[in-house]
Amino acid sequence: SYVVTQPPSVTVAPGKTATIMCGGDNIANKRAHWYQQKPGQAPVLVMFNDAERPSGIPERFSGSNSGNTATLIISRAEAGDEADYYCQVWDDNSDEVVFGGGTKLTVL
Amino acid sequence: QLQLRESGPRLVKPSETLSLTCTVSGGSTRSGTEYWGWIRQPPGKGLEWIGSVFYTGSTHSLSSLGSRVSISVDTSKNQFSLRLTSVTAADTAIYYCVRRKSGRYYFDYWGQGTLVTVSS
Repeated sequence: SYVVTQPPSVTVAPGKTATIMCGGDNIANKRAHWYQQKPGQAPVLVMFNDAERPSGIPERFSGSNSGNTATLIISRAEAGDEADYYCQVWDDNSDEVVFGGGTKLTVL
Repeated sequence: QLQLRESGPRLVKPSETLSLTCTVSGGSTRSGTEYWGWIRQPPGKGLEWIGSVFYTGSTHSLSSLGSRVSISVDTSKNQFSLRLTSVTAADTAIYYCVRRKSGRYYFDYWGQGTLVTVSS
C-alpha cells in the first residue's frame, strides 16, 4: 500500500517560514491535503488539492507538490500555528485514504 | 453550517462490538453529493481512515480491518454508524465522523471526536 512519510517535528522561530514536508513515491501524481490539529481538538483542513486554501485559512498558509514531496509552507509563523500537521492523499491503487504520521510544529 | 456529532458507548470490553453513531445537522445524508465516514486516532498517535458510506448504502473501508468493520447510513434519521467487531486494546482511539464531498478526496467537516476505550 502507498506510504507517506513526515518528519516527526519541525521548529520555527516566530515570524519565520515553516516548511513541513510529506514524502511519497511520485506523490506529485496525487493530490495532497493537509490538516492542522491542536491539542484536544479535531483536525482542521488547512490545504487541499496541493495548494488550495479553504475559506478562513490565512494566506500565510500555502502548499506545493512536486516529484516525491508535498510541502505545506507557513509564512510569518505565529505561536498560534503550533500544532500537529498531517498530510493526506488518496491512493487510487488501493482506493484508500492514506495519512502521514504527522509533524509537530513548534514555534520557538 | 454542517455539524457532525458522535455518540455511543465510551467503554467496550475486549472481543465485543464497538458501535458509534454520527448525527448530521445542517445538512442531509441523503443529498447524494457527500460521503460520510469515520477516522480514528489512538491516544498520542496519528490518524487512520476507517471507511465511508454513500447515501445509497454503498461502503468502502480500510482493507486491513477486513470484515470487522461495517458502516451504514440511516437517511430517515440523518445519521450514519460504525460497527467494529472483536475489538482489542489496539482499537482504543478517538473516533471522528467526517464528511467529504463526492469527487473530492479530503475531509472538510469533522465531528468533535469521541474517545472509545477497549478494556475489561
